[in-house]
Amino acid sequence: EIVMTQSPATLSVSPGERATLSCRASQSVSSKLVWFQQKPGQAPRLLIYGASTRATATPARFSGSGSGTEFTLTIDSLQSEDFAVYYCQHYNNWPYTFGQGTKLEIK
Amino acid sequence: EVQLVESGGGLVQPGGSLRLSCAASGFTFSDDRMHWVRQVPGKGLQWVSLIDHDGGGTKYAYSVQGRFTVSRDNANKMLYLQMNSLSAEDTAVYYCVRGGFSGDWGQGTLVTVSS
Repeated sequence: EIVMTQSPATLSVSPGERATLSCRASQSVSSKLVWFQQKPGQAPRLLIYGASTRATATPARFSGSGSGTEFTLTIDSLQSEDFAVYYCQHYNNWPYTFGQGTKLEIK
Repeated sequence: EVQLVESGGGLVQPGGSLRLSCAASGFTFSDDRMHWVRQVPGKGLQWVSLIDHDGGGTKYAYSVQGRFTVSRDNANKMLYLQMNSLSAEDTAVYYCVRGGFSGDWGQGTLVTVSS
């Protein structure tokens, strides 16, 4: 089973600034990686798939990069609605696995 | 509008069984792979199971293999998860998820395993 490790566990950033979230896979997942955003009491929302392709309705300030074992989610010019928990997840093979999440909080 | 509505959650004793259902609408259900994902309240996400569009292929997380069975009824646009030999570690919100990259998730149904 591929282990996905996200860092940091908590990230404090001021509105308007850039946030950079990391996700590492224990072995290569090619570009078969997605990013989700989750707010309290809500189901996860798909942001990015294929490591770098924005899902429908994902704002352009969200961008994904990386391949193999190292991935990054960058959020430019943070808005108030962006403060949430972010999860990465691979779909390279079964079982699909998630990272433990990064909580993005207001500084 | 795509809708995925889970039902069947509730309180069950350890060792018991429960069957979750997911009613799908707003898309061609028989075209899509479907998944179950769970989340312990306040914790992270775990992929539980997937089923191919025609039910011909299924996959399970190691932790539920042999205890959970996923199935579907394409005629009635329904997805199911039969859960047996439940333990406290299965306590979670269970989400029904449409395959692909549509981003369609249900609202979840809470399963609590406790005596």
